[in-house]
Amino acid sequence: GEDVEQSLFLSVREGDSSVINCTYTDSSSTYLYWYKQEPGAGLQLLTYIFSNMDMKQDQRLTVLLNKKDKHLSLRIADTQTGDSAIYFCAETVYNTDKLIFGTGTRLQVFP
Amino acid sequence: DTGVSQDPRHKITKRGQNVTFRCDPISEHNRLYWYRQTLGQGPEFLTYFQNEAQLEKSRLLSDRFSAERPKGSFSTLEIQRTEQGDSAMYLCASSSRDRGLYEQYFGPGTRLTVT
Repeated sequence: GEDVEQSLFLSVREGDSSVINCTYTDSSSTYLYWYKQEPGAGLQLLTYIFSNMDMKQDQRLTVLLNKKDKHLSLRIADTQTGDSAIYFCAETVYNTDKLIFGTGTRLQVFP
Repeated sequence: DTGVSQDPRHKITKRGQNVTFRCDPISEHNRLYWYRQTLGQGPEFLTYFQNEAQLEKSRLLSDRFSAERPKGSFSTLEIQRTEQGDSAMYLCASSSRDRGLYEQYFGPGTRLTVT
């Protein structure tokens, strides 16, 4: 079946790195995504990775994919207060375009 | 390019009334998606279109829900005989698979409150 899980909360100090983790169950995942949602706002696409890659870097963001363990992570370097938001992991699976989302991880950045 | 827009942003309705939401995708995006997000949860897929054709519908989309995209541009989502359990944020997204892109861009959402 299709299931995506994330831890609910993460709290980090400004300037530190944040690592948000996600696990998924469907082995036919094609793409895996990270979205950011700020209070009262829609979803902002941060980055995504094709399932045959194991790493992608984009400025302060690094995505790591361990396909064997079905584990995805998002590392945010030099975390800022503006990074405080809910981060959603999502996947698409073979033969469909629908996104399957996790429940989201609330990142709180304190000074 | 102005992004995905949704109208209205907020809707309060009484139980039993019908409501309709509109989504305007990014121009030239041929795929359009509807999701529903309840408090504290991730978005859940409802349905999606390629041009005018509705390609997939979730089991969540009961008989009271209908979505259309008549000219392959904007889309409407109608909920008939609303129930309190329909209270949620309704999100629209669009993408352009023709260009080999796999990114779905979301609108700001329509927040529905059923009293």
